[in-house]
Amino acid sequence: QVQLVQSGSELKKPGASVKVSCKASGYAFTTYAINWVRQAPGQGLEWMGWINTNTGVPRYAQDFTGRFVFSLDTSVSTAYLHITSLKAEDTAVYFCARTTMVESDYWGQGSLVTVSS
Amino acid sequence: ELVVTQSPGTLSLSPGERATLSCRTSQSVTGSYLTWYQQKPGQAPRLLIYDASRRATGVPDRFSGSGSGTDFTLTISRLEPEDFAVYYCQDHDRSRGLIFGPGTTVDIK
Repeated sequence: QVQLVQSGSELKKPGASVKVSCKASGYAFTTYAINWVRQAPGQGLEWMGWINTNTGVPRYAQDFTGRFVFSLDTSVSTAYLHITSLKAEDTAVYFCARTTMVESDYWGQGSLVTVSS
Repeated sequence: ELVVTQSPGTLSLSPGERATLSCRTSQSVTGSYLTWYQQKPGQAPRLLIYDASRRATGVPDRFSGSGSGTDFTLTISRLEPEDFAVYYCQDHDRSRGLIFGPGTTVDIK
């Protein structure tokens, strides 16, 4: 069965970096893109962008350029989200999801990143 | 700039009642690429409806989607206890990518 399993919660200080992983199984990894979605505490869903798992080419939403980097390791069917220069407002749950570039049919369980001094 | 709105913000209903949720986009949706998700507290979103009206695998037939252009509706014909959740619509824009609406909370009256 299709599964996306994300790395665990992280507590980071402002200015630090964090890398969230998303390991896929149950399907051919390079046949679907991976979306990244942010959800701040008590807030709605915010699309961060996606990465084409066949070419490795990412696309970032307007508000997620510069400090946010998507990457892949196709040998282990894993996508990564790297956030640098963390700020308090980056505190959120980050989801990965398998996507056709429109709908996302399988989602990871979410990774909570807390930024606090 | 594409904007997606949802109404009402909160819908208070009883089990067995019909729920009608609205999603409006500021520009006509490309190819009916309108998607609906359900999210329960502490869980990831779940795909319900794609292409405006197609139910995802395993979604009960009490959920239906309709609409075209800029006006879309998610209908839950008879609310079950497990249907009380937040519902998001999502549009696809060629220049901005995916845009989520702010969500509608369906809670128990």
